[in-house]
Amino acid sequence: ETGVTQSPTHLIKTRGQQVTLRCSSQSGHNTVSWYQQALGQGPQFIFQYYREEENGRGNFPPRFSGLQFPNYSSELNVNALELDDSALYLCASSPGTSLRTDTQYFGPGTRLTVL
Amino acid sequence: AQRVTQPEKLLSVFKGAPVELKCNYSYSGSPELFWYVQYSRQRLQLLLRHISRESIKGFTADLNKGETSFHLKKPFAQEEDSAMYYCALKGNFNKFYFGSGTKLNVKP
Repeated sequence: ETGVTQSPTHLIKTRGQQVTLRCSSQSGHNTVSWYQQALGQGPQFIFQYYREEENGRGNFPPRFSGLQFPNYSSELNVNALELDDSALYLCASSPGTSLRTDTQYFGPGTRLTVL
Repeated sequence: AQRVTQPEKLLSVFKGAPVELKCNYSYSGSPELFWYVQYSRQRLQLLLRHISRESIKGFTADLNKGETSFHLKKPFAQEEDSAMYYCALKGNFNKFYFGSGTKLNVKP
């Protein structure tokens, strides 16, 4: 069983640009969550997808959007990048339904720097 | 408001000493609480969850609803326990809340 992978590892963008981060969940995992982790902070929940539909969202503006695909991959898109978007972005997949909490398996993260 | 607080950024103990990492939460319903751990150069991983009532690597955590706490404890710390520990809460509508983390340093 392969683990959760994320790409790219690092990314540098300028303010106002758009970025797409990618995550490949473990096979069979129907749920994926995305987190933003600023330096020295804990992960902040962005949103969760279950079977290609968003089923939970944190306090992030609409310019943060996501997609989940049938092949267990997902994307996090951020439009109109701001300096404060600089952070480590984590995805986590879990096998269960939206009605129960299974163990989340985290990826290694994508480090985004906005200049 | 739903929130998780870990008051200690850093906790240093000697090998063999007891460890308690504090976690307090704010949640009006029946909480689901977790401890996650991140060892050096490794990914964040689940350590334990309160509903399992299990001991993992000698760690236990008891949910105290009266004090809204979910402290992580281990009677005898080992050097390999040195890591970053995060307390997390699953709130309404599948939202997860993580604390800011406590770095545990176990000295030889």
